[in-house]
Amino acid sequence: GAGVSQSPRYKVAKRGQDVALRCDPISGHVSLFWYQQALGQGPEFLTYFQNEAQLDKSGLPSDRFFAERPEGSVSTLKIQRTQQEDSAVYLCASSKRGGYNEQFFGPGTRLTVL
Amino acid sequence: AQKITQTQPGMFVQEKEAVTLDCTYDTSDQSYGLFWYKQPSSGEMIFLIYQGSYDEQNATEGRYSLNFQKARKSANLVISASQLGDSAMYFCAMRELYNTDKLIFGTGTRLQVFP
Repeated sequence: GAGVSQSPRYKVAKRGQDVALRCDPISGHVSLFWYQQALGQGPEFLTYFQNEAQLDKSGLPSDRFFAERPEGSVSTLKIQRTQQEDSAVYLCASSKRGGYNEQFFGPGTRLTVL
Repeated sequence: AQKITQTQPGMFVQEKEAVTLDCTYDTSDQSYGLFWYKQPSSGEMIFLIYQGSYDEQNATEGRYSLNFQKARKSANLVISASQLGDSAMYFCAMRELYNTDKLIFGTGTRLQVFP
């Protein structure tokens, strides 16, 4: 389809394991965002890319979280040495550059850390 | 600091009735945008409606309208003629247009439409 896709949809990890979450934005969208949504809460911003440049990573909760978008299209969010508090839904969104453009969200990856 | 407040954890409405979901915001910027998103149980965030801080008219999109009261810093969502498929979580969000592109979300309101 033409929407934002994310994989995997569900991920179960043992504490201490590394995980990688993938996001395929809408073709041609310059901006890409990652959000973390804990159960019963609204999404919280993690990081933002404009093309391949990571312009804002102020929301990454620790240095165990790392995101990249090397060719300005697909992005990967990596979490090293996962902890139970990392359990959440990770949402990816893309938009045309700046201004009044709405962000289009993917279905999310539900990460459960045991 | 930017903040979005949604004070209604849950709302009930009968099918075909109208319902208002409350949202207040806090920002020191003059240029900002306000968004409403719907999140069904499937988890995907669906964009509903947008209001810019300089827009003089309230935004409307089909059955959705945004009651924008700038002086009170409120941006309530009005859904007219509710349908069973409107049952979902609804999130209000804000973006400061010349600061950062990120969205700041509220905690959401769960709307349940009953027959």
